[in-house]
Amino acid sequence: QMQLQESGPGLVKPSQTLSLTCTVSGDSITRGGYYWNWIRQHPGRGLEWIGNIYYSGSTYYNSSLKSRVTMSVDTSKSQFSLKLSSVTAADTAVYYCAREVISETGNWFDPWGQGTLVTVSS
Amino acid sequence: QSVVTQPPSASGTPGQRVSISCSGRNSNIRGYSVNWYQQLPGAAPKLLIYSNNQRPSGVPDRFSGSKSGTSASLAISGLQSEDEADYYCAAWDDTLNGYVFGTGTKVTVL
Repeated sequence: QMQLQESGPGLVKPSQTLSLTCTVSGDSITRGGYYWNWIRQHPGRGLEWIGNIYYSGSTYYNSSLKSRVTMSVDTSKSQFSLKLSSVTAADTAVYYCAREVISETGNWFDPWGQGTLVTVSS
Repeated sequence: QSVVTQPPSASGTPGQRVSISCSGRNSNIRGYSVNWYQQLPGAAPKLLIYSNNQRPSGVPDRFSGSKSGTSASLAISGLQSEDEADYYCAAWDDTLNGYVFGTGTKVTVL
């Protein structure tokens, strides 16, 4: 059964870069038919899609975050990563990684990682 | 302001049927399939319904989804205490060129 696990610093200073990694286990990250996503949830709020990456490295970002987001993939480690630059307190959130299943009838996120809280504070 | 809206709360007694609406636009729900996610307290979201009305294996048939035009809905029949959670709909939006989530609905079992 596929599992995803986020890792990275839980505290980032304002104006710095937030860096997170998602490790995929239980299946190959290079298997076709999937995108690899980052989604965040501000405290007590709803879900916000950040973007996704294919194992080949092609990316798609939320237009509202695009100028600050970089995603990458390391197939040798079965990991994909998120970098969010110039963070402010508004970027404080729980960050989830999730697999996006691609199908003829539509795409969906399954499974999700457990999430990691990142706080932006000096 | 979110482009996909849900009622903030819904409630029912055990055994009752609860329905949650998801109202969107031509750019998202009308043109794309809708998925539903259940988020239990303190947990990550979990896929509940995909492609408008399909249940992943392991999801009880008490949960059902439907879509018509720019709206979708999730129904929970035979409500149980373990159904207390937040529920989110989601779809692709071709104006925003990204995924949008609904505002979320908190279901309370009275």
